[in-house]
Amino acid sequence: EVQVLESGGGLVQPGGSLRLSCAASRFAFSTYAMTWVRQAPGKGLEWISTLSGSAANIYYADSVQGRFTISRDNSKNTLYLQMNSLRAEDTAIYYCAKNSGVSYGVFDIWGQGTMVTVSS
Amino acid sequence: EIVMTQSPATLSVSPGDRVTLSCRASQSVTSKLTWYQHRPGQAPRLLIYDTSTRATGIPARFSGSGSGTEFTLTISGLQSEDFAVYYCHQFHKWPLTFGGGTKVEIK
Repeated sequence: EVQVLESGGGLVQPGGSLRLSCAASRFAFSTYAMTWVRQAPGKGLEWISTLSGSAANIYYADSVQGRFTISRDNSKNTLYLQMNSLRAEDTAIYYCAKNSGVSYGVFDIWGQGTMVTVSS
Repeated sequence: EIVMTQSPATLSVSPGDRVTLSCRASQSVTSKLTWYQHRPGQAPRLLIYDTSTRATGIPARFSGSGSGTEFTLTISGLQSEDFAVYYCHQFHKWPLTFGGGTKVEIK
């Protein structure tokens, strides 16, 4: 079964850092763009960042630009999200999603998410 | 940024009902509109892409329509597993944006 699995969430203090990972399986990982989406408690979905298969094209939401870095290791079939200068408003479930081959904006496979809590 | 507005915020319906969810974009997104279903504690699920194309494995009771700035998701014959939050999402321009969601709950 095609799947992605997030890990690395946890409790971190404001101003701290955390790195999330997303392990992909049973698809040609390097062929597909990958995306991070988050959901704050009681809120809707928010797109965070997308990275093309070759890592040549990178896109960020304004809310995380300059603080978060998306990357991938195609040899390990893994996507990453390095989160620095974390704020309370970054508290959310972070989902990893595979983009379909159709375009950047269609997310056909999602993980179960990993919870990030930013609090002192 | 393209703002996506969904209405209503909540729909109280009964199994078997036909429901229509609305999504409006602040500017044209052409046909680059997707719909996702999100049940509590589960991964979001792709339902519809390119406004009206059902994703793999999605039942025919789900249908999407619209263009430009006005879109709808229709569920014909609501089943128990359809009670969830539904999000529209545009991928016409960066940054990609989601609507605030419509919660479909049991009446």
